Amino acid sequence: AAGVIQSPRHLIKEKRETATLKCYPIPRHDTVYWYQQGPGQDPQFLISFYEKMQSDKGSIPDRFSAQQFSDYHSELNMSSLELGDSALYFCASSLGWTGATGELFFGEGSRLTVL
Amino acid sequence: AQSVTQLGSHVSVSEGALVLLRCNYSSSVPPYLFWYVQYPNQGLQLLLKYTTGATLVKGINGFEAEFKKSETSFHLTKPSAHMSDAAEYFCAVSVQQGGSEKLVFGKGTKLTVNP
Repeated sequence: AAGVIQSPRHLIKEKRETATLKCYPIPRHDTVYWYQQGPGQDPQFLISFYEKMQSDKGSIPDRFSAQQFSDYHSELNMSSLELGDSALYFCASSLGWTGATGELFFGEGSRLTVL
Repeated sequence: AQSVTQLGSHVSVSEGALVLLRCNYSSSVPPYLFWYVQYPNQGLQLLLKYTTGATLVKGINGFEAEFKKSETSFHLTKPSAHMSDAAEYFCAVSVQQGGSEKLVFGKGTKLTVNP
């Protein structure tokens, strides 16, 4: 079965550079979530989209922006990168609310290293 | 606000021994609760979930969890640990507010299985 696809899997950037992460949800899933997991930390919610509209916003820095496109894929744009942005970034998708299906499906993650 | 607390950041068991990972929740409404497993350098995989109905939930890889409202707990158990169970385990609660929904994770418990 098709899963959530994230690219790139690994990314190395210098401080103050820009990075873009992409997420392709499971076909027919209309909701996308982004999470950030720092080293040894639990995943922290960044932002979510439902039907291409932002549905919720968490602890996402102003330097970060995201959007969901007409084909439901999503991109997370990170500018003015800082060392502290080094983390594993997860994308997850669901069909509507998780309360209805009870589950978010996670991608393998994109590991960003900022030097 | 809904949240989960995992007791014990590290748990170590011998192969074949009982696995018990503790999770307590805080919620003013009936919670939807989840356990996810994360193997090193991999994404989050759903082990099991509780939404409604039977309070004893069986998941993959021989894991199960019991929702106990009186104790506000959702502990994860497995009768006999395998070496392959070594991973980090996250308890999560589905938080619904303002027309959106997201998962909020606990701090995680790292399980070590000794031969």
